[in-house]
Amino acid sequence: DSGVTQTPKHLITATGQRVTLRCSPRSGDLSVYWYQQSLDQGLQFLIQYYNGEERAKGNILERFSAQQFPDLHSELNLSSLELGDSALYFCASSGAGGRNGYTFGSGTRLTVV
Amino acid sequence: GQQVMQIPQYQHVQEGEDFTTYCNSSTTLSNIQWYKQRPGGHPVFLIQLVKSGEVKKQKRLTFQFGEAKKNSSLHITATQTTDVGTYFCAGRYNQGGKLIFGQGTELSVKP
Repeated sequence: DSGVTQTPKHLITATGQRVTLRCSPRSGDLSVYWYQQSLDQGLQFLIQYYNGEERAKGNILERFSAQQFPDLHSELNLSSLELGDSALYFCASSGAGGRNGYTFGSGTRLTVV
Repeated sequence: GQQVMQIPQYQHVQEGEDFTTYCNSSTTLSNIQWYKQRPGGHPVFLIQLVKSGEVKKQKRLTFQFGEAKKNSSLHITATQTTDVGTYFCAGRYNQGGKLIFGQGTELSVKP
């Protein structure tokens, strides 16, 4: 157990639907990061939050949104899902500056059918 | 744009052989981190390199950061079956900035 909790572990949904992925960071970590991992794209940075505020944005589609709540857990919302959104979605957390690396959760495997 | 290139994409070795993966950036990095992802698992942080020319060792693993802070390498001596997985480098272009991952090198080890 890395200390970063992601739910659900698996999600199967139809095209056009909307899903919410949840992440609880490791205790004490203020930064949360979302990454998308697919076979042909590697680990793609989506978005970063720090203590409730958006800090950096990567290649996140407009159909995707995220937020970090006062208790520091984060949610990634994916809407109007397409087949190409099928991937493994990782959440990671870190302490100040990420000097000791990111701690990743076990991921949510999303399958869009 | 900011991009970290990593080669090779795949490496198949016989147990006991050495393994090296390389990362390269066109612009200077603030620091670089290395992660290992076992099959079916999640990335696990191995190490961070910050200084120009820095070399760090963890048992059979040797990590190097280039003098210009644009490239890095991970070398595994005498691979074992437990080394199997995908090794990622991840670079940061400014302090506190987002971490950009390389494509990863998938290592398989034949016993």
